[in-house]
Amino acid sequence: EIVMTQSPATLSVSPGERATLSCRASQSVSTNLAWYQRRPGQAPRLLIYDASTRASGIPARFSGSGSGTEFTLTISSLQSEDIAVYYCQPYNNWPPLPFGPGTTVDFK
Amino acid sequence: VQLMESGGGFVQPGKSLRLSCAGSGFAFSNYAMTWVRLAPGKGLEWVSAIRAGGDNTYYADSVKGRFTVSRDNSKNILYLQMNNVRVDDTAVYYCAKDWFGDYGDFYDSWGQGTLVTVSS
Repeated sequence: EIVMTQSPATLSVSPGERATLSCRASQSVSTNLAWYQRRPGQAPRLLIYDASTRASGIPARFSGSGSGTEFTLTISSLQSEDIAVYYCQPYNNWPPLPFGPGTTVDFK
Repeated sequence: VQLMESGGGFVQPGKSLRLSCAGSGFAFSNYAMTWVRLAPGKGLEWVSAIRAGGDNTYYADSVKGRFTVSRDNSKNILYLQMNNVRVDDTAVYYCAKDWFGDYGDFYDSWGQGTLVTVSS
């Protein structure tokens, strides 16, 4: 059973500064990892898939990296609309694999 | 692509509720679909998934034996029958579409969610 962890649980960043979020899998998921954003009161939205490919319409300030068990989501310059909870989830499996517990990003 | 959930509401513990998710703008019958929930103060949890043809279904341990997922590909509708609901089933329930088809992929489209509140 794959267990996902995310750190930190909460990340406070000043507007315009860089935010770096981590996601770790208990065993290798290759690059089969997605990141989702959930803004308050909204549905989750796909940000990144294949660990580093931005989904359609996602701003270039979002980038993903990593493979195997260690992954990173970077927001290069935090904007107000980026205040949200971010989840990672591995895929390419039946049944679906668990989401990570999430990282809350807010303004310092 | 549009996904629209319905059927949420207030229900007492031990009772039943059926959620629906209507899909449009894509070939519904070609895609696996998943129910994901977000409980108050908790993170995202996949609840149940169903392959494109409807023959293979999957459940999280927390709902196994109580929830049943199904789909009507002729009507482009996904269902979640929730029986013997518990207080900890209280959540917003989202339906989500597999990206590529039937491969257990990531979810590229999500509905807006329907709120289920379980309370006596």
